[in-house]
Amino acid sequence: GENVEQHPSTLSVQEGDSAVIKCTYSDSASNYFPWYKQELGKRPQLIIDIRSNVGEKKDQRIAVTLNKTAKHFSLHITETQPEDSAVYFCASRREDSSYKLIFGSGTRLLVRP
Amino acid sequence: GAGVSQSPSNKVTEKGKDVELRCDPISGHTALYWYRQSLGQGLEFLIYFQGNSAPDKSGLPSDRFSAERTGGSVSTLTIQRTQQEDSAVYLCASSLWDVEAFFGQGTRLTVV
Repeated sequence: GENVEQHPSTLSVQEGDSAVIKCTYSDSASNYFPWYKQELGKRPQLIIDIRSNVGEKKDQRIAVTLNKTAKHFSLHITETQPEDSAVYFCASRREDSSYKLIFGSGTRLLVRP
Repeated sequence: GAGVSQSPSNKVTEKGKDVELRCDPISGHTALYWYRQSLGQGLEFLIYFQGNSAPDKSGLPSDRFSAERTGGSVSTLTIQRTQQEDSAVYLCASSLWDVEAFFGQGTRLTVV
């Protein structure tokens, strides 16, 4: 069945450094790849997403890259700040008859001041 | 309402009892998802409803778990004969066909 693998499970960086989280998906029919941020005790919220017709998308300090051939996508956070500390989830979804959203296992990011 | 609403926000139940968790999706959203999140863990897919299609139940962990979605709107997740390992936060999300999925605040279930 569909599967999304996410690495690393935990990531600690110094404030101002960059953070990269990587995901691999198994379903070649997937063509929508969102990233969610979940702060402690709160619900997951979308921070950025990308569709398969695009290789990269940026929004201020956040960027996502997609390699459909390798079935990899990555989240890049530059100039990290303490408020970036949270759990980040990648996900993939097909957009044909099934729109099921499958999540990776999450990455706990800690930004040290 | 403006967002996805779940009730109750917290539920404590005795082992062996049945529980019902409710999700009110955003009006007009055709897709509805249920996920389970154990403490410090990821988002485990449970079940997915899309319009009038048959639900995808492939994530339900056992036959004690079931879900309904009435009238294409409100959904109820039922857990029968609860066990301690069912303790978790149950999250509901809804979306239109091809855009962002919005999450509810979750129901924290504790089985004692």
